[in-house]
Parts: sequence; C-alpha cells; structure tokens
Amino acid sequence: AQSVTQLDSQVPVFEEAPVELRCNYSSSVSVYLFWYVQYPNQGLQLLLKYLSGSTLVKGINGFEAEFNKSQTSFHLRKPSVHISDTAEYFCAVSDRGGSQGNLIFGKGTKLSVKP
Amino acid sequence: DAGITQSPRHKVTETGTPVTLRCHQTENHRYMYWYRQDPGHGLRLIHYSYGVKDTDKGEVSDGYSVSRSKTEDFLLTLESATSSQTSVYFCATSPGTSRSYEQYFGPGTRLTVT
Repeated sequence: AQSVTQLDSQVPVFEEAPVELRCNYSSSVSVYLFWYVQYPNQGLQLLLKYLSGSTLVKGINGFEAEFNKSQTSFHLRKPSVHISDTAEYFCAVSDRGGSQGNLIFGKGTKLSVKP
Repeated sequence: DAGITQSPRHKVTETGTPVTLRCHQTENHRYMYWYRQDPGHGLRLIHYSYGVKDTDKGEVSDGYSVSRSKTEDFLLTLESATSSQTSVYFCATSPGTSRSYEQYFGPGTRLTVT
C-alpha cells in the first residue's frame, strides 16, 4: 500500500526567505507525484507534478520540487516566498501502473508567511 | 481548469436525515472522486467512479453511497447523517489518461451535522 508523509504540519517563515516543505512517500511500485495548494476556503489547485524524465520539476508561482527515488522524497521549494503563498500544501502520490488514478494525500503542511 | 461545480456549498442538517451532495463537471472527464477533508487528516477518498454506473469504494466509504447516471454528474449520499460526517467534501475529476492522473478539484461543500 502507498502512503505519504509530510514531515511538518506547520512551517512559519518570513517574507522573502526560502522555504522547503518536505514530503516522503512509500510505495512498492513506480509512482507519479504531485503537489497541490489550498488557499483558505478554496479547493485544491495543482502546483506541479512529476511523471517521468527530469527529476527537478518546476511549477506555478515559482515553486519547484525534486524527485529523489533513492530517498523516496519529493520536497517542495521556493527561493523567496511572498505573503500570498500563505496556504496549505498537500503532497500526493499515484500508482503509475494503476488504472483508476487514485491519489493518496499527505496530511498537509500549513505555510504561514509573515511580513 | 476543469469546470467543476458542487452544490450545495454549505449545508446544515440534523442527525439521522439523508443528505445528497452533487458534483457537476463540464470537461467530459472519465473519472470522478469524492473526498472528505478533516483537520489533521488531509484528504481521504470516499468513493470514486471510472465511468457511468461504474463506482468503487475508497478509504472511508462506510455510511456513504454514490451514483453516476451521467458522465457529468456524481452524487454523494449520506443515508443517515451522523455528527462524525461533519466535514468539508470535495469532488474531483480526472481525464484518467495513461500519461497523467492529475485531478481537478471543485470548490467544496461544507456540511455540518447537528
């Protein structure tokens, strides 16, 4: 069975500082990996995804993530955060060989950007 | 973004009453999903559909049923609502191609069971 662990439930950071949100997954098969963002009182929006190829994936709003197969990690980074990045971020994994495309989500990391 | 709407957006109901939530999509996506979101639990899959009249259970399906009579509509029913079903419910869709299982989410329905 697959699982996703987001190592930090809350991450406070000052504006313009760099940030890393950590995600580790467990799976016996090859996977697709995703990061979603949820702004207050909204649905989830895709930030970026890893399907294959380059292990460094760039997404929207200046975020990027690196797939590390040996460490089974997919950490999300941004070199300089803005107040508007305050949101909850979810890492998710999907079985590459599965037919239903079901996603397993982590429990989320709340990013709080302070001025 | 996929056009996904959910109705109602907010609902307060009493314990023991039936409740139906509706998800409507305009993208002709094959797959549709219902999740619940609770603090500290992230999103958990309730049921999903891989085609008209084709559905299956997810991680937390007890107390819920679903139906999909048309590609664009996916209904979630709580047969007899309980306080433990107070949650925010999200619908999602996916084209389900072999290249990507990216899911698109609706705005959510906040359900309170008193």
